[in-house]
Amino acid sequence: QVQLQESGPGLVKPSETLSLTCAVSGYSISSGYYWGWIRQPPGKGLEWIGSIYHSGSTYYNPSLKSRVTISVDTSKNQFSLKLSSVTAADTAVYYCARLFPANGFQDPWGQGTLVTVSS
Amino acid sequence: QSALTQPASVSGSPGQSITISCTGTSSDVGSYNLVSWYQQHPGKAPKLMIYEVSKRPSGVSNRFSGSKSGNTASLTISGLQAEDEADYYCCSYAGSSTYYVFGTGTKVTVL
Repeated sequence: QVQLQESGPGLVKPSETLSLTCAVSGYSISSGYYWGWIRQPPGKGLEWIGSIYHSGSTYYNPSLKSRVTISVDTSKNQFSLKLSSVTAADTAVYYCARLFPANGFQDPWGQGTLVTVSS
Repeated sequence: QSALTQPASVSGSPGQSITISCTGTSSDVGSYNLVSWYQQHPGKAPKLMIYEVSKRPSGVSNRFSGSKSGNTASLTISGLQAEDEADYYCCSYAGSSTYYVFGTGTKVTVL
């Protein structure tokens, strides 16, 4: 059974870079599939951030593309998110998930981690 | 790319059926049969309920069904139960530039 777990700082200062990691268990990332990030501001809806294939190919939300970098570390069976120049608008629960692009869905999801942008 | 439009709230009594709409455009919902639906209980991660418009993952109750007509997808919950009270989000593939767009979310209340 595939499980995902997000980790990273819960507080980031404005203008700095948000960095999160998603550890995958129960499946080897190097074996395939796409892996991605979705966020949810408090009390608001979901927003797709981007995804990465095990080979390293990346796909980003156009509205965030200039600030987002997603990378994969197959040796540690994890993938990461970096979001630069953050503002209060980037405060959200960040989820990682496995993606099935051919079928258009994300499953399973990690439990999510709240990142607050504040000085 | 704007979020897909869902009603803010839908309610029903136990045993009744409710339907949640998800309206997009010809660039997303209308162009691809890649609409999925997620259930989210407070403080929890979203759970996949429907994919490819109408397919149910293993373990999801057959009380949940999906459909699509034109630019609008729909999720129907039949035999409404207290445990169905949650937020529901639709999601559609939107092409190789935008990729995925989510709906605005619908709060389902069981009266």
